[in-house]
Amino acid sequence: AQRVTQPEKLLSVFKGAPVELKCNYSYSGSPELFWYVQYSRQRLQLLLRHISRESIKGFTADLNKGETSFHLKKPFAQEEDSAMYYCALSIKAAGNKLTFGGGTRVLVKP
Amino acid sequence: IAGITQAPTSQILAAGRRMTLRCTQDMRHNAMYWYRQDLGLGLRLIHYSNTAGTTGKGEVPDGYSVSRANTDDFPLTLASAVPSQTSVYFCASSGQDGGAFFGQGTRLTVV
Repeated sequence: AQRVTQPEKLLSVFKGAPVELKCNYSYSGSPELFWYVQYSRQRLQLLLRHISRESIKGFTADLNKGETSFHLKKPFAQEEDSAMYYCALSIKAAGNKLTFGGGTRVLVKP
Repeated sequence: IAGITQAPTSQILAAGRRMTLRCTQDMRHNAMYWYRQDLGLGLRLIHYSNTAGTTGKGEVPDGYSVSRANTDDFPLTLASAVPSQTSVYFCASSGQDGGAFFGQGTRLTVV
C-alpha cells in the first residue's frame, strides 16, 4: 500500500529565511503528488501538484522519483505562510483517492 | 459559487447517538471522499465513492457508513457515536484531473 511520510511535525523559521518541507512517499508505480495548505481553521486548499510544475505563492516542489521525494521549498518565507502543510499522493488506477502525510506545521516568526 | 458544502459546521453529540454529516457539491465531480483529521495523524480516508451508486471503504471505515444516491450528495453516518470519533471531518470531491476540493469541515465532539 502507498504511504506518505512528512518527518517534521513543526518547522519554525524567521521571516525572509528559506523553508523546506520534506515529503517522502512509498509506491512502486507512478503516483501523482500534491501539496495542500490549511490556514488556521480553514479548509484545505490545493497548493501545488507535480504535473503542473508551477510556482504558487513562491513555493515550488520537484518530484524526485529516485529518492521518492516531493519536498516543498520557498526561498523567502513570509508570515502569511504560517499554516499546516500536507503532502498527498493519489493513484489514478485507484480512483484518485488521496493518501496524506501527517502534516507539517510551519510557523514564520517576524 | 461552485464548491463543496458541509453541514453542520460543528456538533456536540452524546455517545450512542446516531448522526449524519451532510456533504453537497455542485461541481459535477464523480469522485467524493470523507476524511477525518486528527492531530499528528494527518487526514485519513474513511469512505469514498468513485461515482454515483458506488462506495468503498477507506483506511478507517469502522463505525461509519456512506451512501451515494446521486452525484451531488455524499452523507456520512455514525450509527452509534463513540468518543474516539471526536474529530474534524472533511468531505472532498475530485474531477478527472485528480486534484481534490475540500469542504470547510465539521468539528464533531462525542461526549
